[in-house]
Amino acid sequence: KQEVTQIPAALSVPEGENLVLNCSFTDSAIYNLQWFRQDPGKGLTSLLLIQSSQREQTSGRLNASLDKSSGRSTLYIAASQPGDSATYLCAVRDSGYSTLTFGKGTMLLVSP
Amino acid sequence: DTGVSQNPRHKITKRGQNVTFRCDPISEHNRLYWYRQTLGQGPEFLTYFQNEAQLEKSRLLSDRFSAERPKGSFSTLEIQRTEQGDSAMYLCASSKPGGGTGPYGYTFGSGTRLTVV
Repeated sequence: KQEVTQIPAALSVPEGENLVLNCSFTDSAIYNLQWFRQDPGKGLTSLLLIQSSQREQTSGRLNASLDKSSGRSTLYIAASQPGDSATYLCAVRDSGYSTLTFGKGTMLLVSP
Repeated sequence: DTGVSQNPRHKITKRGQNVTFRCDPISEHNRLYWYRQTLGQGPEFLTYFQNEAQLEKSRLLSDRFSAERPKGSFSTLEIQRTEQGDSAMYLCASSKPGGGTGPYGYTFGSGTRLTVV
């Protein structure tokens, strides 16, 4: 059974810092990995999706990398802003399946 | 297209009552998923449809839960005889044919927050 772990559980940084969120998964036979953002009491907003054959994806200040063989992904946020404050969730889709397995998320607070 | 729409946004119900939630997916998405999220946890898979066919159900989906997707468009999730443990955010997602391989994979709705008192 796939298990997804996100470290740290919470992170507080001052505005302007670059930061890295970590995601690990136990079964490397994945189809893709997706990073989501969730604001308090809200639904999920997709940030980046990395196919199993890819090493990284970039969108604006966000960069996600994938090392499938070691079961790891990182989300890099450059020049953090208070508006980046949210919970970031990592989810994997296993090969042969259509559903996602989520981590518990990293709660990020960026202070002005 | 305005994305995945879920109604109601919030629902407070007394224990033992039945509740029904609705999800309207993105029109060209043929797959629709239901997830449940409790406080401090990531979403957990409940069930999914391809068109009108319910292809998979999680063990989390007890006999009190039923989901439908008539005509392969919107979906409903009903919980009968609600219990306090059913209190959670219920999230709906949809994806393109091929199961979320597009640039943004799955698209989630804003969720329905259920509180059972």
